[in-house]
Amino acid sequence: GENVEQHPSTLSVQEGDSAVIKCTYSDSASNYFPWYKQELGKRPQLIIDIRSNVGEKKDQRIAVTLNKTAKHFSLHITETQPEDSAVYFCAASHSSGGSYIPTFGRGTSLIVHP
Amino acid sequence: EPEVTQTPSHQVTQMGQEVILRCVPISNHLYFYWYRQILGQKVEFLVSFYNNEISEKSEIFDDQFSVERPDGSNFTLKIRSTKLEDSAMYFCASSESLREKLFFGSGTQLSVL
Repeated sequence: GENVEQHPSTLSVQEGDSAVIKCTYSDSASNYFPWYKQELGKRPQLIIDIRSNVGEKKDQRIAVTLNKTAKHFSLHITETQPEDSAVYFCAASHSSGGSYIPTFGRGTSLIVHP
Repeated sequence: EPEVTQTPSHQVTQMGQEVILRCVPISNHLYFYWYRQILGQKVEFLVSFYNNEISEKSEIFDDQFSVERPDGSNFTLKIRSTKLEDSAMYFCASSESLREKLFFGSGTQLSVL
């Protein structure tokens, strides 16, 4: 099955700095890569996603890049703000028996210091 | 924005007891999932459900687990005989179609004593 590795496990930055979270996946058939943000005690919520037919996608301060050859994808947050502090999960979706099952990474705890 | 709702928010049970976790997916969604998250760890896939049947399940989802969609709105996860290691946050999720984003519920924190 799919295996998603995510680094770093913890990332501490100053407000205004950029943050980068990296993920690798194992199943070359995976073609949908969402990123979820989970604030303390709350549900995971999608913040951005990318499909395998594009290499980069941007939404305001958030961008995601995908390198299918190397099987890795990254989340970039620019001009970080304290409210960006949360756990971020990457996921890779692979096809299995007609279903697309997102497999999640272990998460990155992002701490933005004011 | 429509939400996935889960009840109860917290469930405390004794080891060996049966628990039922309830979820109401978003009304026009067709694909339903259960995930769990042990404290501080990653979100783990349990089972997916489509067209009134299980479409995929993980090795965690053994004979002690079952899912059901008893009516047009509810989606339940049953654990027949709970173990200590079943203690976790259980998230229900739904999606409108394949390869679309998941909408997660707020979770049920299950504590097995």
